[in-house]
Amino acid sequence: EDKVVQSPLSLVVHEGDTVTLNCSYEVTNFRSLLWYKQEKKAPTFLFMLTSSGIEKKSGRLSSILDKKELFSILNITATQTGDSAVYLCAVEYSWSFGNEKLTFGTGTRLTIIP
Amino acid sequence: SQTIHQWPATLVQPVGSPLSLECTVEGTSNPNLYWYRQAAGRGLQLLFYSVGIGQISSEVPQNLSASRPQDRQFILSSKKLLLSDSGFYLCAWSGDRTHSGNTIYFGEGSWLTVV
Repeated sequence: EDKVVQSPLSLVVHEGDTVTLNCSYEVTNFRSLLWYKQEKKAPTFLFMLTSSGIEKKSGRLSSILDKKELFSILNITATQTGDSAVYLCAVEYSWSFGNEKLTFGTGTRLTIIP
Repeated sequence: SQTIHQWPATLVQPVGSPLSLECTVEGTSNPNLYWYRQAAGRGLQLLFYSVGIGQISSEVPQNLSASRPQDRQFILSSKKLLLSDSGFYLCAWSGDRTHSGNTIYFGEGSWLTVV
């Protein structure tokens, strides 16, 4: 069964700390891995990763994919209270020719203490 | 630019009543459309997806149905709600894979509480 597992389930750190969120997956016909940030409502897109070892970076956030070991990490440096959210990992895979699906992990709830 | 809207934002409905959540996408044509549900403390579960008008695929057996009467309109319905239908419902779209890499973009979400 295809699955996406995120760890830790929740994390509480102090402002200014650096955090690493993990996402491992088991899917056939992998296409891409996506990270989203969900605050009170809809998830907002952060990164899409398709190639191993190439870091994607946006401000204090960065992410990298390891297709051999089947995982990705999301790093946030110098955390701020505005980083508090649920971070979702999703994996896109082909389930038949010309058809792709996106499977989400349950998310990591990050809380930043001022 | 593309935008997606869904409504209503919040809904409290009695058990056995009908449901209709609506979603529209602007600024793109022939999008793939999705309905997800997020129960408390759980991940996003794909309920339905559509690759075109009148084409609906259901992911899980359930009390809900979906319809796509127009290219950029996606509707989630139920004839009789159950308590277990409570949750956060998200409409989403993705475009031409060549341009967007199949990134999914979400609407604002609808909180449904069945009482």
